[in-house]
Amino acid sequence: RKEVEQDPGPFNVPEGATVAFNCTYSNSASQSFFWYRQDCRKEPKLLMSVYSSGNEDGRFTAQLNRASQYISLLIRDSKLSDSATYLCVVNRDDMRFGAGTRLTVKP
Amino acid sequence: DAGITQSPRHKVTETGTPVTLRCHQTENHRYMYWYRQDPGHGLRLIHYSYGVKDTDKGEVSDGYSVSRSKTEDFLLTLESATSSQTSVYFCAISESWRISRSYEQYFGPGTRLTVT
Repeated sequence: RKEVEQDPGPFNVPEGATVAFNCTYSNSASQSFFWYRQDCRKEPKLLMSVYSSGNEDGRFTAQLNRASQYISLLIRDSKLSDSATYLCVVNRDDMRFGAGTRLTVKP
Repeated sequence: DAGITQSPRHKVTETGTPVTLRCHQTENHRYMYWYRQDPGHGLRLIHYSYGVKDTDKGEVSDGYSVSRSKTEDFLLTLESATSSQTSVYFCAISESWRISRSYEQYFGPGTRLTVT
């Protein structure tokens, strides 16, 4: 079993839609959590950190449930520019990456 | 953007040949990392460095070696390339081992390696 599991998608949504991605992790000792964005054939870039209390950055909301070992990312009012692969990342002793969920936002 | 470059950006090589990939940073960050990314897998850590001449193995280190003789340069060597090492290789840097909102991990643009 992979340490970080994500639904690979692809998610194809129209502009303006709300889309949610989920991620589960297996190691309960994990200490910090992140969502990264990776555009096609580019390097990953930090989108946002994820806190137990939940956090929001504009149209993006991240949630963490430590008891269920579950992380989520909600994107509201999707834009064409949101099309990318979203990587769930968990930090314990080192960074462990999910394989990513691919999102395509269509006009 | 963080000052990280990787060279070469693309390489095609034959099975059995040695290959060295270079990562260069201008941020003076202590920690440097090499990852590989394959379809269906997340990025997986190959080796990392916590200072000049200080390196350690990651999750998938077999078949790879590294060296760091200067703060700014971290080299990844495939002693004898195999087709299973065909992948996209990313270098990353960070100020701290403990990655957090204050200490982000930054990635280089990647190197696409094909072993035929």
